[in-house]
Amino acid sequence: LAKTTQPVSMDSYEGQEVNITCSHNNIATNDYITWYQQFPSQGPRFIIQGYKTKVTNEVASLFIPADRKSSTLSLPRVSLSDTAVYYCLVGDKGGYQKVTFGTGTKLQVIP
Amino acid sequence: EAGVVQSPRYKIIEKKQPVAFWCNPISGHNTLYWYLQNLGQGPELLIRYENEEAVDDSQLPKDRFSAERLKGVDSTLKIQPAELGDSAVYLCASSFPDGNTGELFFGEGSRLTVL
Repeated sequence: LAKTTQPVSMDSYEGQEVNITCSHNNIATNDYITWYQQFPSQGPRFIIQGYKTKVTNEVASLFIPADRKSSTLSLPRVSLSDTAVYYCLVGDKGGYQKVTFGTGTKLQVIP
Repeated sequence: EAGVVQSPRYKIIEKKQPVAFWCNPISGHNTLYWYLQNLGQGPELLIRYENEEAVDDSQLPKDRFSAERLKGVDSTLKIQPAELGDSAVYLCASSFPDGNTGELFFGEGSRLTVL
C-alpha cells in the first residue's frame, strides 16, 4: 500500500483558503486518495475521495494532478471549527482502510 | 440514524487487570474494524471483520488481545492482562462491504488509561 507524506502542522487565519498537500509517489493504478478529518476526542470523519483531476463536495475540494503522485485538499474560507487533524490515505477502495492513518496534518485556525 | 456506538468512553484500570470494549456498528454495515490510536498518532488497524469472520487480524497482538463479533453485529475487544503501554484510544468503525467509497464510519472511541 502506498505511503503518504503530509506536513505535520499548518496555521491559517479564519476566512482564508487552506491547501494541504499529500505526497504519494508510489501510488498504484487502482488506488484512490481519501481524506479524513478528526476533531479531539472524536473518531475520524470521511471528507472526500478522488481518483484523478478534481473532486468537489459541500465541504472540500480535492485536486489530483495527472501523474497522481500528490494530491491537495482544499478547504475554502476556513473557520475556527475547521481546527482538526487531516489524514490522507491511499489505497484501493477495499484496502485503504487496512493501513495506518499516519500522523496527519494538524490544522490550527486562528481568529 | 444512529452512528457507531462504543462503550465505555473512558476506562481507568491498573496494569495486569482485564478490560473490555464494546462496539455496536451502524445497522446494515457488515464490515467492522477495531483501531488503536496512540496520542499524537493516527489510527492503526487491529482487526477487521466481514460479518462474524475476522478476515484480517494480522496486527492484533494475540498474546493479550482478543476480539469477537458474535452474530455479525456487535463486537467486543478484550485486553488481558493490560499493560502500561496499552493506554490509548480504541476506535471502532464500520462500513458497507462494497460501498462506493469504502467510507469508514467511526465511533467516538474508548479511552483506556492503565496505571
